[in-house]
Amino acid sequence: NAGVTQTPKFQVLKTGQSMTLQCAQDMNHEYMSWYRQDPGMGLRLIHYSVGAGITDQGEVPNGYNVSRSTTEDFPLRLLSAAPSQTSVYFCASGRGRAPGANVLTFGAGSRLTVL
Amino acid sequence: GEDVEQSLFLSVREGDSSVINCTYTDSSSTYLYWYKQEPGAGLQLLTYIFSNMDMKQDQRLTVLLNKKDKHLSLRIADTQTGDSAIYFCAESTTNAGKSTFGDGTTLTVKP
Repeated sequence: NAGVTQTPKFQVLKTGQSMTLQCAQDMNHEYMSWYRQDPGMGLRLIHYSVGAGITDQGEVPNGYNVSRSTTEDFPLRLLSAAPSQTSVYFCASGRGRAPGANVLTFGAGSRLTVL
Repeated sequence: GEDVEQSLFLSVREGDSSVINCTYTDSSSTYLYWYKQEPGAGLQLLTYIFSNMDMKQDQRLTVLLNKKDKHLSLRIADTQTGDSAIYFCAESTTNAGKSTFGDGTTLTVKP
């Protein structure tokens, strides 16, 4: 099925470990983004990309890296995990700037726990 | 920066109408969206409205936009227990395309 695929669905890390959350879309969307969702804080934008080779910071980028070497993939790297990064992470993609609305298609989420 | 605000909780009885409200601050917002999130799942688009429109209706859903007050609402007619979920308001501009989300309104529908 076409859509946004995130892996893994669940992950437990120890403080200081690094890992990569994978995100892939097969809709040829230019725009891709990562959000984290925490109770009572809604969705906060971590990083986004408006096309291959272009990335930019969102609201809460510290502790995370991204790259966009292809249109399809947008991995999120945690460099040195901290308990404050315990969250549910969502990848989303969309057509991008123009024309029309940037309706986002979301992945199912990756639940990360940092001990 | 941009800000989107919603009330956190709404409880209604099955068969009643639900109205979820949202305010936003970015006057250059071009599109406004409503997304629905069911437990354990990602967000799914319900509907969106272009900023030069006042109203959009889609079956049981009615979106009202007051651009002067920067106020958006989602009305769900004949609310069902299956409508219980978190509803997110979001906005985007054409310049960057990135969306800013509210904190979400948890709708509980009681039988």
